[in-house]
Amino acid sequence: AQSVSQHNHHVILSEAASLELGCNYSYGGTVNLFWYVQYPGQHLQLLLKYFSGDPLVKGIKGFEAEFIKSKFSFNLRKPSVQWSDTAEYFCAVRSNYQLIWGAGTKLIIKP
Amino acid sequence: EAQVTQNPRYLITVTGKKLTVTCSQNMNHEYMSWYRQDPGLGLRQIYYSMNVEVTDKGDVPEGYKVSRKEKRNFPLILESPSPNQTSLYFCASSLRARDNSPLHFGNGTRLTVT
Repeated sequence: AQSVSQHNHHVILSEAASLELGCNYSYGGTVNLFWYVQYPGQHLQLLLKYFSGDPLVKGIKGFEAEFIKSKFSFNLRKPSVQWSDTAEYFCAVRSNYQLIWGAGTKLIIKP
Repeated sequence: EAQVTQNPRYLITVTGKKLTVTCSQNMNHEYMSWYRQDPGLGLRQIYYSMNVEVTDKGDVPEGYKVSRKEKRNFPLILESPSPNQTSLYFCASSLRARDNSPLHFGNGTRLTVT
């Protein structure tokens, strides 16, 4: 069965630290890749997406992600986090019409 | 404003008492879906609908029903709620299922079944 793995369930960082959240998927065909963010008490919002072309994708709020096909990975990065980045982050992979979700990573930024 | 509207935001009910959570979108989206979010499990799909009168089971459909009589509405029905259905529920929609359009989510419904 297809699956999406987010390696860390909880990440705690200090402000200005660099961030990398891992996402690996198991499907070998053509995929669309997404990162969504859920701020405390809010609904999920799209952070960035990859469909084709440049494997380095830039999203909102200074986030970026790199699609590495050979590693089946789509890791999320931010060079310098802020307290307002405290949220839960979800990786999702679409193949055909099915959207598979990772379990989420809770990110806490210490001021 | 383009949005997905869920109601109610919070609901506390007792075991066995039928309830409906409404979901409506104003973006003329073909695809709609219901998810439940539980700690450590991420989002799990309950049911989805590719278009009007077309619905399919997701990963965790047991205990739930849906209908898609109109394009904009996709209610979630719990005929006989049980405590294991206590969860945070999200409705989502996208233009189509088989293309690159991202999902738009509602604000969520926190359901507690006692």
